[in-house]
Amino acid sequence: DVKVTQSSRYLVKRTGEKVFLECVQDMDHENMFWYRQDPGLGLRLIYFSYDVKMKEKGDIPEGYSVSREKKERFSLILESASTNQTSMYLCAIRKLLGTVSNYGYTFGSGTRLTVV
Amino acid sequence: QQPVQSPQAVILREGEDAVINCSSSKALYSVHWYRQKHGEAPVFLMILLKGGEQKGHEKISASFNEKKQQSSLYLTASQLSYSGTYFCGTGGGNKLTFGTGTQLKVEL
Repeated sequence: DVKVTQSSRYLVKRTGEKVFLECVQDMDHENMFWYRQDPGLGLRLIYFSYDVKMKEKGDIPEGYSVSREKKERFSLILESASTNQTSMYLCAIRKLLGTVSNYGYTFGSGTRLTVV
Repeated sequence: QQPVQSPQAVILREGEDAVINCSSSKALYSVHWYRQKHGEAPVFLMILLKGGEQKGHEKISASFNEKKQQSSLYLTASQLSYSGTYFCGTGGGNKLTFGTGTQLKVEL
């Protein structure tokens, strides 16, 4: 079964720092996603990628960018971290279960980022 | 726009049943259901693709009504292991939009 690995479980950064969150999958899935999870707000899509060097904005892309130089790795970048970016960040891949419309997401275990 | 889930939270005794609803203001092409246990990643339960189709996972089943733009998740004879937060996800194409979640707690 596919494994989605997020490099850090917990991270504490200072306001204004540039932060990199890494996500690696061990299979050849094309679609990768970054969500943030906040109490009462559920999971909100930040960015996603459907191939190497291809990316699309999600619902809340402001203050973030992404990089996908290799198929297995999808990085989320906080250009200048702010306290309102303190959150749980979840990476996911889309796994086909049959036809192209029949799929499920597999999530990484998450990175809890605190910006102080 | 995020789908709306109800209730926001529910407490059950073991063996009781529960229903979680997910409604969208947009036309639905598919609905996903995920469960997230405390401190863990969300786990895929099922996807519903056709209107009125019911699917099952353990003693958990779901329905999808395209016309009403809603889906319901049915938990039958709940077990302690069912505790967690349940999310519905809706969307077409490449991405899912998730609801705000329903916290379910099953007690002895």
